[in-house]
Amino acid sequence: AQSVTQLDSHVSVSEGTPVLLRCNYSSSYSPSLFWYVQHPNKGLQLLLKYTSAATLVKGINGFEAEFKKSETSFHLTKPSAHMSDAAEYFCVVSDEADRGSTLGRLYFGRGTQLTVWP
Amino acid sequence: NAGVTQTPKFRILKIGQSMTLQCTQDMNHNYMYWYRQDPGMGLKLIYYSVGAGITDKGEVPNGYNVSRSTTEDFPLRLELAAPSQTSVYFCASSYPPRVGQDTQYFGPGTRLTVL
Repeated sequence: AQSVTQLDSHVSVSEGTPVLLRCNYSSSYSPSLFWYVQHPNKGLQLLLKYTSAATLVKGINGFEAEFKKSETSFHLTKPSAHMSDAAEYFCVVSDEADRGSTLGRLYFGRGTQLTVWP
Repeated sequence: NAGVTQTPKFRILKIGQSMTLQCTQDMNHNYMYWYRQDPGMGLKLIYYSVGAGITDKGEVPNGYNVSRSTTEDFPLRLELAAPSQTSVYFCASSYPPRVGQDTQYFGPGTRLTVL
């Protein structure tokens, strides 16, 4: 069965310091992996996605994530946090098996709330 | 493109009332989805549609109904509102899921409270 575990429910960093949001997944087949961001009272915005090309994926706003199959991880990083990065981040997996079916099923992690201190 | 739009943004219902959450997309996507987001949880799939006239249940369909008469619109109906349906509802759309085409695009959400 497919599942996503976000290892931290809350992460706090100071502005200008690195951000690391951790995500592990389980998938029977070749997954697609996504990070979405949700700012307060807003919808979900796609940050980046991995779809079996380069293992290091660059997204918007300076974020990037590395797909490590041996560790079943897809951690999100940013070298220097900005106040505007404060939001909730969701790690999401889409399974090739599901893509081959009629449903492009997404499996969501529970989210990581990122707080950025001035 | 407006993308995925949802109305209303907020709504308070009394127990037993009914309402329809509207969702429209202008990206000509065949696939559309309804999710609910409860506090501290990821999104759970309620219903989905693979095209006009075709809908099916997701993980948590009880208490909801959907219809899909056009490609653009995918309304979600609550017939007898219950406090357990207090949540934030997101609509999403996508192309048919294939490698590199499985990104879902989300609307801004509808925050529903049932008292």
